[in-house]
Amino acid sequence: DTGVSQDPRHKITKRGQNVTFRCDPISEHNRLYWYRQTLGQGPEFLTYFQNEAQLEKSRLLSDRFSAERPKGSFSTLEIQRTEQGDSAMYLCASSKDRGVTETQYFGPGTRLLVL
Amino acid sequence: AQSVTQLDSQVPVFEEAPVELRCNYSSSVSVYLFWYVQYPNQGLQLLLKYLSGSTLVKGINGFEAEFNKSQTSFHLRKPSVHISDTAEYFCACVTGTASKLTFGTGTRLQVTL
Repeated sequence: DTGVSQDPRHKITKRGQNVTFRCDPISEHNRLYWYRQTLGQGPEFLTYFQNEAQLEKSRLLSDRFSAERPKGSFSTLEIQRTEQGDSAMYLCASSKDRGVTETQYFGPGTRLLVL
Repeated sequence: AQSVTQLDSQVPVFEEAPVELRCNYSSSVSVYLFWYVQYPNQGLQLLLKYLSGSTLVKGINGFEAEFNKSQTSFHLRKPSVHISDTAEYFCACVTGTASKLTFGTGTRLQVTL
């Protein structure tokens, strides 16, 4: 396994700009998750895909956030009209589709700073 | 709502000393528990997980955890820590039919000479 990769690793943007992050899961992992981690906190669930279907979204995912996973491979997370409160680490994880207890493997994250 | 609580935000310990990082969970349904470690500027790595069966779970890097249903706890232990164990440790749960992990707030383990 080459591991979960995320791009970019760091992003600085001005308030009101749009940003897009990419996640490449481990090959053959059907499930893909997005989490957000703010300073001093544990990661919080944002959304989850099984193949290309987005099956669950957190209430944290406002209408400014959109995630896609075309063709069930890589995923993108877009934030429109960024706010300073969006500053956080955005983590992606993937797992095989063998039940809720399957291990989730995390990428290194994308650190977003909104000025 | 299902959740986990990590009672200590920071735990300082000397190298080669034992350590215990505490985690309590709350759930009214079947619970699956995990410990993850996060090194600086890196993603999370699974240390160990409890799904069912033996209550003593052994993980990587010499860590182990014990599931205690009566005390609703899942504390992480290591008999002798190294400088390289300095990191943030997260307890997490997956409950019921949900697929998402719910994390605690983390415990910063600081190992010094």
